[in-house]
Amino acid sequence: NAGVTQTPKFRVLKTGQSMTLLCAQDMNHEYMYWYRQDPGMGLRLIHYSVGEGTTAKGEVPDGYNVSRLKKQNFLLGLESAAPSQTSVYFCASSWGGLDTQPQHFGDGTRLSIL
Amino acid sequence: KQEVTQIPAALSVPEGENLVLNCSFTDSAIYNLQWFRQDPGKGLTSLLLIQSSQREQTSGRLNASLDKSSGRSTLYIAASQPGDSATYLCAADQTGANNLFFGTGTRLTVIP
Repeated sequence: NAGVTQTPKFRVLKTGQSMTLLCAQDMNHEYMYWYRQDPGMGLRLIHYSVGEGTTAKGEVPDGYNVSRLKKQNFLLGLESAAPSQTSVYFCASSWGGLDTQPQHFGDGTRLSIL
Repeated sequence: KQEVTQIPAALSVPEGENLVLNCSFTDSAIYNLQWFRQDPGKGLTSLLLIQSSQREQTSGRLNASLDKSSGRSTLYIAASQPGDSATYLCAADQTGANNLFFGTGTRLTVIP
């Protein structure tokens, strides 16, 4: 049972390039989330999804887009990368909403924008 | 916006000691508070989830308490072991926000 898998694990981009981060979960969870973790700051929610075909904005959505075409996958896109988007990105999933269900996290994608 | 604070930022204890990690939050209108563990280079592992109607939760050597009125939670670790060395994060939601707000964590080192 793999749980939550994120690809790639590391990536270096140049300013203005685009890329997509992939998150896959095999637990049949309805809810999926994308966070970023920066030094000296707590994890911050970028976007989330409450089911296949749905997406919603979190706390820091600007500069990112997401898609949930299949229940098991949640994609995070950077259309034009900026140095401020250098961060560690975590995907998480859960059975239900934040009020009752613990989240399961992937191991993260370390992204550097030069 | 919910603000979550964890003090201290780092803590070193000898093996076998009991210890308490602290978490405070500014808005008491929460559904739950969660404690996570993060190992270097890894994601977060959920340890305990305390719903707003509960006062505490226990799992093995871990006990988490919640005092909504004062905006505080504590994570008690009994008989600490070197394998407990990690960063411990707490997170609180906020009624109507559909978001978890995380503290910056306490980095625990248990010295053999």
